Amino acid sequence: QVQLVESGGGVVQPGRSLRLSCAASGFTFSSYGMHWVRQAPGKGLEWVAVIWYDGSNKYYADSVKGRFTISRDNSKNTLYLQMNSLRAEDTAVYYCARDAGGYYSVDWYFDLWGRGTLVTVSS
Amino acid sequence: EIVMTQSPATLSVSPGERATLSCRASQSVSSNLAWYQQKPGQAPRLLIYGASTRATGIPARFSGSGSGTEFTLTISSLQSEDFAVYYCQQLSTFGPGTKVDIK
Repeated sequence: QVQLVESGGGVVQPGRSLRLSCAASGFTFSSYGMHWVRQAPGKGLEWVAVIWYDGSNKYYADSVKGRFTISRDNSKNTLYLQMNSLRAEDTAVYYCARDAGGYYSVDWYFDLWGRGTLVTVSS
Repeated sequence: EIVMTQSPATLSVSPGERATLSCRASQSVSSNLAWYQQKPGQAPRLLIYGASTRATGIPARFSGSGSGTEFTLTISSLQSEDFAVYYCQQLSTFGPGTKVDIK
C-alpha cells in the first residue's frame, strides 16, 4: 500500500525543539523528492521545505530558514523535519508529501500526502 | 516572489451545476500550476498539474485550463463529494483557497 505516515507531533513550549518523521511505504522512496507542507488551524497551506531524492539539495521557506532542517534516510524509507527555536506561529498540522516528479527529478507537484501530525507551540 | 490569488473566496453551487474557480499569478508561471482539493480533516489531494493534466484517478468532470497568469478549474457537474476547499499552487506558493459549498 502506497502511503506516508507522519509522527512526532505534540505540544511543545516556545523556544524548544521537535523532530517529525514521515515513514514511506509501497513505493521506491529513494527515487522521489519529498516535501513538508503545513497548515495552521483554520488557515491555508504553506510549503515548508523540500529535499531532493538523494538529499543533495534542500530548500526552505523564509519563515523557517535557519530554524528547521529537512533530512532523509533512504535506508529506512523515512523523511524528517528537525524543528528548533519553535514559535507560536509554527503551530500547524504538518504534512509530508511526495513530489510527483519521481525518477530523480523535482516537479513541485505533490501527488501523495500523509494524514499529517499536529504541532502545537504553547507555554 | 510570485503571489497567487484565488477568486471567489467562497462559491455556493447547487449539486449538478457547474463550478468555475479562478487562480491568478502575479507574474507569468507558464503552465506550472497545480490544483488541490481538501476536505475537512483530510490531507489535500492533487487534482490537476501542468495547468490542465488530470492526476491519476481524478474524474473527468474536473478540468483545468489557462497559462501565464490566469488559470481556471472547472467542475462540470458538482457531486456531493466535491464540496471542499480548492487550492492552486505554483512551486512553493499556494493560493489562499476557494471554498465550494452547497447552495
